[in-house]
Amino acid sequence: GAVVSQHPSRVICKSGTSVKIECRSLDFQATTMFWYRQFPKKSLMLMATSNEGSKATYEQGVEKDKFLINHASLTLSTLTVTSAHPEDSSFYICSARPGFAYEQYFGPGTRLTVT
Amino acid sequence: GENVEQHPSTLSVQEGDSAVIKCTYSDSASNYFPWYKQELGKRPQLIIDIRSNVGEKKDQRIAVTLNKTAKHFSLHITETQPEDSAVYFCAASNRNTGNQFYFGTGTSLTVIP
Repeated sequence: GAVVSQHPSRVICKSGTSVKIECRSLDFQATTMFWYRQFPKKSLMLMATSNEGSKATYEQGVEKDKFLINHASLTLSTLTVTSAHPEDSSFYICSARPGFAYEQYFGPGTRLTVT
Repeated sequence: GENVEQHPSTLSVQEGDSAVIKCTYSDSASNYFPWYKQELGKRPQLIIDIRSNVGEKKDQRIAVTLNKTAKHFSLHITETQPEDSAVYFCAASNRNTGNQFYFGTGTSLTVIP
């Protein structure tokens, strides 16, 4: 149980375009989903907290107009990187929290490369 | 906000020896401390966690200890095996205020056969 999927696993896009990443909880309902960014050989940096049916809460320094988050249902959250630039290239990982559990379950990540 | 520090950044041990990774946190309200193992290009996998009302927890070769007063917690791996080689991350969160995870900087563990 507690499986989280992400799609796509890899994406290459041109500078200036937008990219959407989906995060789904497959066998549980996630009241809260989280989005992280991870640079090579670095830690996971929390970008934002996404609650179903409400606006996302962004961590300090994360541009909300650049990284659009939508949590339309209890099993789906999306992250859209708008007007992507090479510096947005990174590994993006989502996680989902079942109900009010302590635990979070992580997706497999999406490798974004902006050329 | 919460600040988590983790040491060491790299650790090499001989197979069969023990490995210890330490983390400190800044927010005394944090009440949940998970440890994750991440292999290259893969998702983090939860290996053990501890809540603030417990001082120690063990699961086979893995144990975690928590000192709330000093605000530090440690991961102990005994009888290490080559397959334990990976990057390990600690995290701290407050379940009562949103459960955001704040991760340490990671420890790259190498177990030498």
